[in-house]
Amino acid sequence: GAVVSQHPSWVICKSGTSVKIECRSLDFQATTMFWYRQFPKQSLMLMATSNEGSKATYEQGVEKDKFLINHASLTLSTLTVTSAHPEDSSFYICSAPGLAIGTDTQYFGPGTRLTVL
Amino acid sequence: GEDVEQSLFLSVREGDSSVINCTYTDSSSTYLYWYKQEPGAGLQLLTYIFSNMDMKQDQRLTVLLNKKDKHLSLRIADTQTGDSAIYFCAEKSSNTGKLIFGQGTTLQVKP
Repeated sequence: GAVVSQHPSWVICKSGTSVKIECRSLDFQATTMFWYRQFPKQSLMLMATSNEGSKATYEQGVEKDKFLINHASLTLSTLTVTSAHPEDSSFYICSAPGLAIGTDTQYFGPGTRLTVL
Repeated sequence: GEDVEQSLFLSVREGDSSVINCTYTDSSSTYLYWYKQEPGAGLQLLTYIFSNMDMKQDQRLTVLLNKKDKHLSLRIADTQTGDSAIYFCAEKSSNTGKLIFGQGTTLQVKP
């Protein structure tokens, strides 16, 4: 089946620094990828839709200058958390729509745990 | 607006059947999904059902869809301790094509 990877799986950083998270589709191409945020014991909140070759579409309330998204190729999207603060600590998960498998579904990465000190 | 609701917690004994319920509001949803999330991990697609189906069975998993009541359920037969996880119901919005998730049901399986 379709595989999506994320890197790193966890990161700890100091307040004020920037952190980049990568999302890759390993065995298929994805013109669109989605970035979610999940707080402990809560559901997934869609942050933005990453579009290959064009600007990302952000959900209401998500700061685009804070969460920079770049979708440079058909297999890679990156999320950069700029000037991170402790309230940005969360579990970030990406997903990509499955292609040519007839199920029209999303395949999720394993997630990245961000802790900002 | 579009909304998906789930009960938050279910506890069963090993070997019993588990039934996790979900209600949704978008009657035009084309696909409905069940995902499993183990601690510290991403979401694993368990199964899905197309909106013109009433039931789908896949090994120990049975999905029932009642479109009239906008009710979806996931039955896990012969529940094992390895089934302990959080289960998310999700619908694909007919407006935006995005996935809308429920709050997740924590399944606890006691030996």
